[in-house]
Amino acid sequence: EAGVAQSPRYKIIEKRQSVAFWCNPISGHATLYWYQQILGQGPKLLIQFQNNGVVDDSQLPKDRFSAERLKGVDSTLKIQPAKLEDSAVYLCASSALRGASYEQYFGPGTRLTVT
Amino acid sequence: GESVGLHLPTLSVQEGDNSIINCAYSNSASDYFIWYKQESGKGPQFIIDIRSNMDKRQGQRVTVLLNKTVKHLSLQIAATQPGDSAVYFCAEKAAGNKLTFGGGTRVLVKP
Repeated sequence: EAGVAQSPRYKIIEKRQSVAFWCNPISGHATLYWYQQILGQGPKLLIQFQNNGVVDDSQLPKDRFSAERLKGVDSTLKIQPAKLEDSAVYLCASSALRGASYEQYFGPGTRLTVT
Repeated sequence: GESVGLHLPTLSVQEGDNSIINCAYSNSASDYFIWYKQESGKGPQFIIDIRSNMDKRQGQRVTVLLNKTVKHLSLQIAATQPGDSAVYFCAEKAAGNKLTFGGGTRVLVKP
């Protein structure tokens, strides 16, 4: 099966600019996650969708970050305006509960550099 | 808040030797644990998982051990190969499907 797709792979912007990332999950996966991974750290969950509804956005900086999954498939994550500390890899993951596994399948990520 | 952490940030191992990566967790309510491998420029890749009602699970060349008494998780890689060089993350799940990741351990395999 095709994996999780993300674009762009790399993005460089100046602070205070805006940026958007796109994710296409594995077909049939109802749950979609956006993570922020700062260099040298583990991924940190930003937002979790179940179909097109938000399950958990407790760690999403809502004053500048927004995400949507309008039709329950693709998702976009936006940052506006960006800050230097937003430099990180943004990972998208998807999952489908099968038996006892909660495995999440990750995309390759988008590396964002804010200058 | 509750968190997952790792004891060793970097592990150097000779090719062919066994590797042991350790992880401490603090949330006693966690009922599921998972190990991921992340190579440079790629997203995390699933290695193996274990539920809290088990203390050991084996996969191909990998074994995960869970000690709930001391809240400790370990990943053993048998006969470590150059392709095993990566950063390894443990993650725990408590309520819902949310995973909380630790900080990662880098494994360097020496030829």
